[in-house]
Amino acid sequence: DAGVIQSPRHEVTEMGQEVTLRCKPISGHNSLFWYRQTMMRGLELLIYFNNNVPIDDSGMPEDRFSAKMPNASFSTLKIQPSEPRDSAVYFCASSLAQGSYEQYFGPGTRLTVT
Amino acid sequence: AQSVTQLDSQVPVFEEAPVELRCNYSSSVSVYLFWYVQYPNQGLQLLLKYLSGSTLVESINGFEAEFNKSQTSFHLRKPSVHISDTAEYFCAVSNTGFQKLVFGTGTRLLVSP
Repeated sequence: DAGVIQSPRHEVTEMGQEVTLRCKPISGHNSLFWYRQTMMRGLELLIYFNNNVPIDDSGMPEDRFSAKMPNASFSTLKIQPSEPRDSAVYFCASSLAQGSYEQYFGPGTRLTVT
Repeated sequence: AQSVTQLDSQVPVFEEAPVELRCNYSSSVSVYLFWYVQYPNQGLQLLLKYLSGSTLVESINGFEAEFNKSQTSFHLRKPSVHISDTAEYFCAVSNTGFQKLVFGTGTRLLVSP
């Protein structure tokens, strides 16, 4: 298995622009998680899905952030408009929605907003 | 609510020395416990996990962790570290029946020759 795939790996954009991050979970996994990692705040859970349905989005910072999962093999995290404080590494992880719930992480997208 | 405390933000150690990375959690219900490792510029990788049964769990690269319910701890240990163990280590907890992992703030292990 290729593991969790994220794209792009690096994104540099200007303040005010729209940013879309993409994630392909491990085949057969039915839960998907979006995290943000910064030096100041550590690893934060933004949102997670079960069977393509958002379950908990309490970690989404504000309305500028939105996430979708149109099917079992694809999810997006969109920031519109982006701000410099959104600069971080964004991770996607997937797991089975039963059992031990161990999560498998992608390599991350490093976002820089100037 | 659950929480995880990793008191040490950074642990410097010499190669071949033993190391312990501390993790304490709070939860009012049964838990699953995990240690993840993050190498530079990579995502988190599962190192080991406690679900039930034996309170001592081991990884394939020589790390072990012991679940101590009375002390609500899940400390990570290795008897002899290698340079390649330099990484950030995250402790995480989930309640049985709930999927969300709550992560600690991480401990950076720095192994020098």
